[in-house]
Amino acid sequence: DQQVKQNSPSLSVQEGRISILNCDYTNSMFDYFLWYKKYPAEGPTFLISISSIKDKNEDGRFTVFLNKSAKHLSLHIVPSQPGDSAVYFCAASATAGTYKYIFGTGTRLKVLA
Amino acid sequence: GAGVSQSPSNKVTEKGKDVELRCDPISGHTALYWYRQSLGQGLEFLIYFQGNSAPDKSGLPSDRFSAERTGGSVSTLTIQRTQQEDSAVYLCASSLVGTSAYNEQFFGPGTRLTVL
Repeated sequence: DQQVKQNSPSLSVQEGRISILNCDYTNSMFDYFLWYKKYPAEGPTFLISISSIKDKNEDGRFTVFLNKSAKHLSLHIVPSQPGDSAVYFCAASATAGTYKYIFGTGTRLKVLA
Repeated sequence: GAGVSQSPSNKVTEKGKDVELRCDPISGHTALYWYRQSLGQGLEFLIYFQGNSAPDKSGLPSDRFSAERTGGSVSTLTIQRTQQEDSAVYLCASSLVGTSAYNEQFFGPGTRLTVL
């Protein structure tokens, strides 16, 4: 049972346009969400996070939106750059001392120059 | 400025053999995690070490899998009698403290294990 789902395995976007990566979750206990970026032959690196007390968190070109009622979050990258081409994982956890993140299967983003 | 390192980067082994995968966490990080990513899957939590506490082994898929963390630093993940379904990328991560969801995990580059 996949508790965190990324239904789009891949996405191609033109340089300069917006990239929108989606993530859905099923466990209503999740209240902290993260996005990781992974380049080939490297480990994932933390990108941005959001707590359930917020519905938006912005960091430069990256914005994460959280819709708790729909159990949906999305990562917006604008403007997209070729260096953003990577696999993006969303992850979720419940707080109160947990350390286990449940990861989605990832979306491979390709930004075309 | 060392990050998390893992060795070997690639391991090819025959079915039935034992393998050991090593992780060197960031110095000073008390929490260490092992994950694996099988083809087409997300990262799957395997085991967690925090300081001197008993490790959380709840994610280990079978008793063929075990892990140690010696001296609170280096960790070794051992897979005995490997099976083809063990083929995956095994990722190690460390963080400063492990008891909050807010502690960023820093990942190593992974070990790609192929069981023939």
